[in-house]
Amino acid sequence: GQQVMQIPQYQHVQEGEDFTTYCNSSTTLSNIQWYKQRPGGHPVFLIQLVKSGEVKKQKRLTFQFGEAKKNSSLHITATQTTDVGTYFCAGPVDDKIIFGKGTRLHILP
Amino acid sequence: NAGVTQTPKFRILKIGQSMTLQCTQDMNHNYMYWYRQDPGMGLKLIYYSVGAGITDKGEVPNGYNVSRSTTEDFPLRLELAAPSQTSVYFCASSYPTLVAGVADTQYFGPGTRLTVL
Repeated sequence: GQQVMQIPQYQHVQEGEDFTTYCNSSTTLSNIQWYKQRPGGHPVFLIQLVKSGEVKKQKRLTFQFGEAKKNSSLHITATQTTDVGTYFCAGPVDDKIIFGKGTRLHILP
Repeated sequence: NAGVTQTPKFRILKIGQSMTLQCTQDMNHNYMYWYRQDPGMGLKLIYYSVGAGITDKGEVPNGYNVSRSTTEDFPLRLELAAPSQTSVYFCASSYPTLVAGVADTQYFGPGTRLTVL
């Protein structure tokens, strides 16, 4: 079946360094969503991308949707300790949303 | 609005016991979902519902049952608990945008941490 894959699974960065997580789908997606889950918390919606090649920014976070609408990325500039958590992408399959396995971000002080 | 609420927050079950995880939302959302999240893993869809009286299986429905008698409530039932069901369970809800190509934003509850011994 259709899958939504994320890499890397884990990422350790020094505070202040940049971070990127990538999401890939086996088929074209009509849209893609990104969620953040803090340690011990629940997933919280960050953003949705709909258009081919779309780029959206939220402060230090930049989200991109590939031209073929099969991949997406989340880039964080100058990470801070508040960025710690797991970042999930999610895409629609039939009438359900399928989540990637997430990228867990650790910030080293 | 309280959003999505889940009870209990924590539960320990013995193998073979049964329990119901409660989920309630006060946002008048049509769609509701149950996910499980194993340690260090992503979210797997157990069951979902697009409205009262309508439920459907997700990726990992075995060992679970659901019902949706009202818009607000979507309980998840475990009949014969097994150690493989040790996980954190999240309930979520969304309101369909009805816009082609635009997915609904899902709002998650705080989760129920279940351990089966």
